[in-house]
Amino acid sequence: NAGVTQTPKFRVLKTGQSMTLLCAQDMNHEYMYWYRQDPGMGLRLIHYSVGEGTTAKGEVPDGYNVSRLKKQNFLLGLESAAPSQTSVYFCASRKMGQGSRSNQPQHFGDGTRLSIL
Amino acid sequence: KQEVTQIPAALSVPEGENLVLNCSFTDSAIYNLQWFRQDPGKGLTSLLLIQSSQREQTSGRLNASLDKSSGRSTLYIAASQPGDSATYLCAVVTQGGSEKLVFGKGTKLTVNP
Repeated sequence: NAGVTQTPKFRVLKTGQSMTLLCAQDMNHEYMYWYRQDPGMGLRLIHYSVGEGTTAKGEVPDGYNVSRLKKQNFLLGLESAAPSQTSVYFCASRKMGQGSRSNQPQHFGDGTRLSIL
Repeated sequence: KQEVTQIPAALSVPEGENLVLNCSFTDSAIYNLQWFRQDPGKGLTSLLLIQSSQREQTSGRLNASLDKSSGRSTLYIAASQPGDSATYLCAVVTQGGSEKLVFGKGTKLTVNP
């Protein structure tokens, strides 16, 4: 019963390098989210997806791109990493549920700790 | 812009004590409010979700209440245990077209044996 799995768990990058964070969920959830968590700032939404092939910007989307080619996967890309992107990144998913605004809880992965030097 | 505040930022109590964590939000037009638990180095675990039409939700020793009109929620933990030590986060989904959860910065709870 894996739930939400994030890969990798840790990574150190140099400024300017690129990388992709992978999120996979096995609960057949329609909605998926990427957050970053920083000391003193709390969790902030980067991008989200309401279904396969769709993405939307969150609160802090600059410097990131996302793709949802398969329902179970949500990829977060950093094209040119910057020290300001040092953070812990969390992926979450939730079931759509009934109605236009679902009251289904979000399920989180254990995070990816990313350091940019 | 929705803002969520949690008070206190940290709380230390002896084992067995009943305690209350507070959450307030500025925009009362919400769809739901969620309480999460986060252990060090881990992700978030959903504890309780209260829909905007509900007043409270209960799960075991946890009880969450919601007063939407005043923009407040409380998480009540009965008979606290050392295993309850964690950071507790409150988050809301605001009406108005966005799917995003807006989080508070959390209350770090320590329950001492």
